[in-house]
Amino acid sequence: QSALTQPPSVSGSPGQSVAISCTGTSSDVGTYNRVSWYQQAPGTVPKLIIYDVTNRPSGVPDRFSGSKSGNTASLTISGLQAADEADYYCSSWTSRNTLLFGGGTKLTVL
Amino acid sequence: EVQLEESGGGLVKPGGSLRLSCAASGFPFSDAWMTWVRQAPGKGLEWVGHIINKRDGETAAYAAPVKGRFTISRDDSQNTVYLQMTSLNTDDTAVYYCTKDVPLTMGTAALYWGQGTLVTVSS
Repeated sequence: QSALTQPPSVSGSPGQSVAISCTGTSSDVGTYNRVSWYQQAPGTVPKLIIYDVTNRPSGVPDRFSGSKSGNTASLTISGLQAADEADYYCSSWTSRNTLLFGGGTKLTVL
Repeated sequence: EVQLEESGGGLVKPGGSLRLSCAASGFPFSDAWMTWVRQAPGKGLEWVGHIINKRDGETAAYAAPVKGRFTISRDDSQNTVYLQMTSLNTDDTAVYYCTKDVPLTMGTAALYWGQGTLVTVSS
């Protein structure tokens, strides 16, 4: 089962907004609202920032938001900060009763 | 405070076996679905599998690359989840993380992560 498709890299300047896409199929993203997003800064453990498509765990700033349309989920980061520079991963539950991750997107803050 | 501590990683030869442990504290372990996620050096995250709680059946699910070779089990009396790995190959080299999800997300949203334990498969 192939990984969910994410762009390898995105970039933006401080204060701007960026969006990261996560494309799956009707067997995962398109059917289940079990889409999560993780942030992983270099040398650190991944951190959950969005779950169930749109929900933020306690402590995650509302600059981070999630959405979904059809087979594609998206993470939007507004008011970009230098501290947001990290790798971002999406995940989705699948019809095969497995969890699938995306390949990851490296966010560069210019 | 939720704490997850993995142990048992190390160097193993191709074809060998290893058992990882994850000691949990700070939450009602017997109610939790517990998940293993791995990350190969310089690569992305990969779901290994999860085990659901006893109330819901204590069954496990696995990713295709490890199905039939890895077994996840739990000991609720010890607040510990295990990952038994057999027939290891070089593709299994990774940091293995134990995770606990957001309640009621059925193992799909890993809120808490251990620090990970490195498994290196090499001759």
